[in-house]
Amino acid sequence: QLQLQESGPGLVKPSETLSLTCTVSGGSISSNSYYWGWIRQPPGKGLEWIGSTYYSGSTYYNPSLKSRVTISVDTSKKKFSLKLSSVTAADTAVHYCARGTGGSGFDYWGQGTLVTVSS
Amino acid sequence: QSVLTQPPSASGTPGQRVTISCSGSNSNIGSNTVNWYQQLPGTAPKFFIYSNDQRPSGVPDRFSGSKSGTSASLAISGLQSEDEADYYCAAWDNSLNAYVFGTGTKVTVL
Repeated sequence: QLQLQESGPGLVKPSETLSLTCTVSGGSISSNSYYWGWIRQPPGKGLEWIGSTYYSGSTYYNPSLKSRVTISVDTSKKKFSLKLSSVTAADTAVHYCARGTGGSGFDYWGQGTLVTVSS
Repeated sequence: QSVLTQPPSASGTPGQRVTISCSGSNSNIGSNTVNWYQQLPGTAPKFFIYSNDQRPSGVPDRFSGSKSGTSASLAISGLQSEDEADYYCAAWDNSLNAYVFGTGTKVTVL
């Protein structure tokens, strides 16, 4: 059974960089059939796609966040990472990592981790 | 703001049929398949309907998805208390080059 687990600081100061890692277990991260993504959800609000990456390194980012986002994959460690720079309070959210399958969306999700932006 | 519009809420009594709409445009629903996610309180979203109308293993058959033109729907026939959750539609948007989620609908069982 595929499992994804987010990890990283729960508190980030304004203007700094949010960094999260997703560890994949129970399956391969190196497959052309899947891609790996980050989705966030501000408290009490809806879901927002941040971006996705293929194991080859190809990436796709939400245009509204593109200037601040970097998603990378480390196939040897079965991990992929999110970096979001110049954060503000508006970036406070539960961040989920997930596996994507072609046009079918995200079929496996991590439990989510809350990142609060505050001084 | 999301490009996929859903009603904020929907409700019904146990056993009733409830339908949730998802309105988009030619660049998203009109051109690509629609997925639905169920989010129970305090949990991560769950993969619920894919490719417009396909149910992953484990999703009860009282849930069904459909798509017509630039709109999609999720229907729950025989509403049950455990169906109380937020439901989100989603699709790729060719113009934005982004995966977009709907605004979300909270389903309440009265």
